[in-house]
Amino acid sequence: EAGVVQSPRYKIIEKKQPVAFWCNPISGHNTLYWYLQNLGQGPELLIRYENEEAVDDSQLPKDRFSAERLKGVDSTLKIQPAELGDSAVYLCASSNRGQEQFFGPGTRLTVL
Amino acid sequence: ELKVEQNPLFLSMQEGKNYTIYCNYSTTSDRLYWYRQDPGKSLESLFVLLSNGAVKQEGRLMASLDTKARLSTLHITAAVHDLSATYFCAVIPASGYALNFGKGTSLLVTP
Repeated sequence: EAGVVQSPRYKIIEKKQPVAFWCNPISGHNTLYWYLQNLGQGPELLIRYENEEAVDDSQLPKDRFSAERLKGVDSTLKIQPAELGDSAVYLCASSNRGQEQFFGPGTRLTVL
Repeated sequence: ELKVEQNPLFLSMQEGKNYTIYCNYSTTSDRLYWYRQDPGKSLESLFVLLSNGAVKQEGRLMASLDTKARLSTLHITAAVHDLSATYFCAVIPASGYALNFGKGTSLLVTP
């Protein structure tokens, strides 16, 4: 069974540029999560989807971050414009109805 | 706000020795997870602890959960170099769905 797929794995951009990350969850998992992991820290939740509905986006900085999961399967997380402080690893995870979460490999973003 | 505290944050130990990593959390929960993360890699699930008194073992690692004390431990027995990694505990509060992570314990096992 394929795991959570994320792309790209690495992204380097200049500040003020837009960037997008893509995630395809494990087949059949209705819950999808985006986490942010800063260097030397544990991941922090940005947004959680149940199917196509964002049910918890309280930690998402909505002035520059947006996310979508249009068909309840794969998801895109966007930052526009990116700031230096956005440099981090963006992790996607999925689970089946609140059960154990499985993580993708992450996208490492560097903003110059 | 749920707080998850791990200690120690850094641990250097010799091969063959035993040690315990502690994870304290600040709110009611009966779902606690331990993950391993290698440098530049994602999170690998190690243990899922779902009830008070739960104990799980895999190889040289053993995890336990005391929900009354809001404490989980990850015990390492006869450490080997391959166990060098960062270990995270994460808690889902009773009223929520999101994992709340500790800061991680960076473990280095030396010859």
